[in-house]
Amino acid sequence: QVQLKESGPGLVQPSETLSLTCTVSGFSLTSYSVSWVRQPSGKGPEWMGRMWYDGDTAYNSALKSRLSISRDTSKNQVFLKMNSLQTDDTGTYYCTRDAYYFDYWGQGVMVTVSS
Amino acid sequence: DIVMTQGALPNPVPSGESVSITCRSSKSLLYSDGKTYLNWYLQRPGQSPQLLIYWMSTRASGVSDRFSGSGSGTDFTLKISGVEAEDVGVYYCQQGLEFPLTFGSGTKLEIK
Repeated sequence: QVQLKESGPGLVQPSETLSLTCTVSGFSLTSYSVSWVRQPSGKGPEWMGRMWYDGDTAYNSALKSRLSISRDTSKNQVFLKMNSLQTDDTGTYYCTRDAYYFDYWGQGVMVTVSS
Repeated sequence: DIVMTQGALPNPVPSGESVSITCRSSKSLLYSDGKTYLNWYLQRPGQSPQLLIYWMSTRASGVSDRFSGSGSGTDFTLKISGVEAEDVGVYYCQQGLEFPLTFGSGTKLEIK
C-alpha cells in the first residue's frame, strides 16, 4: 500500500537550516510527483514545493529563495532543505503524493524553531 | 496567487443534518482540458488531511457517498448528506490549477 513517512529534527535553531526526508513506499517516484506541505499550528496548510516525477522541481515563490527539494530514486526518498529558519517556520511538515491533488499524506513531522 | 475563501458553518450541527461548505476562488479553476482543479480535504483532530474530492466533483477512493462536490469555475460547494460524528474536523478547499498551489483557511465542523 502507498505510504509516506517524514523524518528529521524536531527542533531547529533560528537562522539554521532544516533538513527533512520523505521515504515513500507503494509507488515509484518516477511515476508520481511528491509535494511538501506545511501547516502552522491552528492554521491552514501551505504548499511549499513539488518534486515532479521527471525530476523537475517547482517552488512556492514565497519560499523559493530559501528552499531546495531533491530526491534519490534508488532509496525512494525525497528531501527538503530550507535555510534561514525563523520562528514563523514552526509547524508540522508533511510530504504528500501529488497527482494534481494530494491523495496520500505522511503522518507529518513537527518542527519547532527556537533557541 | 489564487486566493481561496471559505465560508463558516453554524456550529454545532445536529447529527443527521445535511450541510454545505462553500469555497470561492479569486480566479476560475476551469482548465482547457475540461477539468476544474478544485480539491477538498478533511483534517480530523490530530490527523493529517485526507483527500475527499478532486477535480471539483470526483470522490476519492474509499470516501463515503455522503460527500459530494459541485460548483462552477469560481464557486464551489462540498455537501455532506447526514453528518455523523466521524465527520468532525476542519475542511479545506485547495486549488490545483497554478503555482503556488493554495488552500482555503478552513471550515470547522462540530456535531451536536
